[in-house]
Amino acid sequence: AQTVTQSQPEMSVQEAETVTLSCTYDTSESDYYLFWYKQPPSRQMILVIRQEAYKQQNATENRFSVNFQKAAKSFSLKISDSQLGDAAMYFCALSDKLIFGTGTRLQVFP
Amino acid sequence: EADIYQTPRYLVIGTGKKITLECSQTMGHDKMYWYQQDPGMELHLIHYSYGVNSTEKGDLSSESTVSRIRTEHFPLTLESARPSHTSQYLCASSVGLAGHTDTQYFGPGTRLTVL
Repeated sequence: AQTVTQSQPEMSVQEAETVTLSCTYDTSESDYYLFWYKQPPSRQMILVIRQEAYKQQNATENRFSVNFQKAAKSFSLKISDSQLGDAAMYFCALSDKLIFGTGTRLQVFP
Repeated sequence: EADIYQTPRYLVIGTGKKITLECSQTMGHDKMYWYQQDPGMELHLIHYSYGVNSTEKGDLSSESTVSRIRTEHFPLTLESARPSHTSQYLCASSVGLAGHTDTQYFGPGTRLTVL
């Protein structure tokens, strides 16, 4: 069975600082995708970043980057230069029918 | 934001009523999904469809049913609502190219309360 574990229910960061959200997963598939989704309060879930397992290079999208460790089955999200608008629930998910982690609530303080 | 819509956004209804939650997307996506999410919790897949006339149950058992008569439309129906059905229901769609996985685009959700 596929599983996704997010061990940090809540995290906080000062505006302009960097924060890392953790995610570990388990799958027997050799080819899969990993995603980080953001769900702001009362707003739509949106994709932050995705990683294809067969690609060695870590994905990057502007201020968001991942540290993908395939052997360790770890997929952490780093948010640089945090902004107030980054405050949200962040979900790590594993393909193909998305298996979601329990989420990390990120607070950003001015 | 993606062109995927859900109605109603909020619904409060009495026990025993039949309800249909609507989901439509204008992106021509083949794959559509329904997730159930309790407040502050993870999402659980309850139904999915890989195309017209194709529907499958997800990992979380649900008393709801779905249909996929048109590509753009994927309604979810509860024949007799109960308080245990109180939750948020999220619809999503993805392109559906061959092989694994495409990014899923989510609707705004329907928050259902059954009294």
